[in-house]
Amino acid sequence: AQSVTQLDSHVSVSEGTPVLLRCNYSSSYSPSLFWYVQHPNKGLQLLLKYTSAATLVKGINGFEAEFKKSETSFHLTKPSAHMSDAAEYFCVVGLNTGFQKLVFGTGTRLLVSP
Amino acid sequence: EAGVTQFPSHSVIEKGQTVTLRCDPISGHDNLYWYRRVMGKEIKFLLHFVKESKQDESGMPNNRFLAERTGGTYSTLKVQPAELEDSGVYFCASSQEQGFFSYGYTFGSGTRLTVV
Repeated sequence: AQSVTQLDSHVSVSEGTPVLLRCNYSSSYSPSLFWYVQHPNKGLQLLLKYTSAATLVKGINGFEAEFKKSETSFHLTKPSAHMSDAAEYFCVVGLNTGFQKLVFGTGTRLLVSP
Repeated sequence: EAGVTQFPSHSVIEKGQTVTLRCDPISGHDNLYWYRRVMGKEIKFLLHFVKESKQDESGMPNNRFLAERTGGTYSTLKVQPAELEDSGVYFCASSQEQGFFSYGYTFGSGTRLTVV
């Protein structure tokens, strides 16, 4: 079965410092992986997606993620955190069952302090 | 283009009552999905419509939940009767084509349901 594990429920950083949100996946196929973000009282917004093209994926707002098959990881990074990055982030895998179903991780809440 | 719209944004009801959530997808999107996040848990798939047909309803928790999409436009999700464990945030999403791996979904802001 395909699944994702987000290793941290909360991550705290200072503004201007790097962000690392960790995600490991489990899949018997080449997975489709996504990162979504949810700001307070907003919908889920797609940050970036990996669909077996380039292993380093660039997303919106300066975020990027690297697909590492050997480590079964898809960590999300950003060189310099902004206050506006404070939100909850979800690592997601798309099921290759012919149906369009997403399986979410439990989420990582990013806190950014001044 | 307008996004996916859900309403109400919040609903507080008593145990045993009925609640109906509504989702308006992006115009022209044939695929509509419902997901929910109960307190402290991950976001989970409920069901998927293609136009007015249920493509996959494997995530519906029990027969107290009824989803409809008459005419292939907006969708409703009715919970009857509501139980305490139904509390959570219900998300709707839509996509234009089957290739969601390439395009991803567009999610709404969710409906926060509280059953007391």
